[in-house]
Amino acid sequence: AQSVTQPDIHITVSEGASLELRCNYSYGATPYLFWYVQSPGQGLQLLLKYFSGDTLVQGIKGFEAEFKRSQSSFNLRKPSVHWSDAAEYFCAAFPTTNNNDMRFGAGTRLTVKP
Amino acid sequence: DSGVTQTPKHLITATGQRVTLRCSPRSGDLSVYWYQQSLDQGLQFLIQYYNGEERAKGNILERFSAQQFPDLHSELNLSSLELGDSALYFCASSPGYLALTPGELFFGEGSRLTVL
Repeated sequence: AQSVTQPDIHITVSEGASLELRCNYSYGATPYLFWYVQSPGQGLQLLLKYFSGDTLVQGIKGFEAEFKRSQSSFNLRKPSVHWSDAAEYFCAAFPTTNNNDMRFGAGTRLTVKP
Repeated sequence: DSGVTQTPKHLITATGQRVTLRCSPRSGDLSVYWYQQSLDQGLQFLIQYYNGEERAKGNILERFSAQQFPDLHSELNLSSLELGDSALYFCASSPGYLALTPGELFFGEGSRLTVL
């Protein structure tokens, strides 16, 4: 079955430290991949997306993600975390075949320590 | 501001009742998606409409229905409400049919439904 897995429910990092949020997907063919962020009381906002080509994609707010086909992963990274990055992060995938079902991972809640 | 508007923002009702959630997509977007976000189920895809027609169905209960009107706004109807229906309901829109024009979804701020 098609699915998106975020193994970490909650991650705490210190401000200024680096961050990596994990995402794995299970699809027959490589899907389109996305990372969204949800701040408290807000809707989801797109951070970045991968369709094809360069496996390292840059997004907004200093985030980047690396697509690794061999590991079926699309991990989100940021070199130096700011307190304002505290939020819930969702990985999502959409199959490239004729299907409109975008699936989301369970989310990873990021806490930033001062 | 994503450009997607959802009303109401908050709604409290009783079990057995029926409610309607409304969504206005971004100007020019033809596709509307409905998602349910609850603590135990995460973000679940419910249903998608494209230019007035239903295009995809996810984990939508039979007690729930939706439609997209000629002006492209959409409504999600929830009936015979149960305690477990308490959740945040998101609407999202995109310019086209995702399979043909893959792109991001633009999310509204959600409608929080509480069933007592």
